[in-house]
Amino acid sequence: GNSVTQMEGPVTLSEEAFLTINCTYTATGYPSLFWYVQYPGEGLQLLLKATKADDKGSNKGFEATYRKETTSFHLEKGSVQVSDSAVYFCALSDRPGNTGKLIFGQGTTLQVKP
Amino acid sequence: NAGVTQTPKFQVLKTGQSMTLQCAQDMNHEYMSWYRQDPGMGLRLIHYSVGAGITDQGEVPNGYNVSRSTTEDFPLRLLSAAPSQTSVYFCASSYSSGGRYYGYTFGSGTRLTVV
Repeated sequence: GNSVTQMEGPVTLSEEAFLTINCTYTATGYPSLFWYVQYPGEGLQLLLKATKADDKGSNKGFEATYRKETTSFHLEKGSVQVSDSAVYFCALSDRPGNTGKLIFGQGTTLQVKP
Repeated sequence: NAGVTQTPKFQVLKTGQSMTLQCAQDMNHEYMSWYRQDPGMGLRLIHYSVGAGITDQGEVPNGYNVSRSTTEDFPLRLLSAAPSQTSVYFCASSYSSGGRYYGYTFGSGTRLTVV
């Protein structure tokens, strides 16, 4: 079945450091891929998305590229801030006409220190 | 504001009690889902719906029922609460266009404690 694997956390970085959170997936067909962010005590917010191979999603300085050849969707940011401290979830969704389910990775906690 | 509304935000139940978690969206989204979030386990799908009158089980459906009589509402019923159902519950909705999924929107969550 479909699945998402994220790098285990927590990830601890100093402010202005470069961030990479790895995400790989297993899926049949051509899923859409997402990154969600959850700040402490809050619900999930969509950070960025990509709906076909080679698409690059971007938002708030974060980027991720849909790589079909490596089945990956790694999240990157060039310079993190303390306010980026949160839990980040990689997810995929099935194609329409199938189930419409959203499948999540386990989440990666990011802590940014001043 | 448009979005997904969940009620209540907090709830404490005694073992064996039943209750309904409410979820409503006003975006005319066709897809709705319920997830539970537990420490170290990410989010797990409980039930989902691809349209009014159509529901199906997710990864962890035992102990929960759903129905979808309208596009807007997707309530989750706990039949007989157990301590193992202590969790944070999220409802989400989404739509598809041109063969792709867009715009999954999550509610703010319901924190449930079963004692």
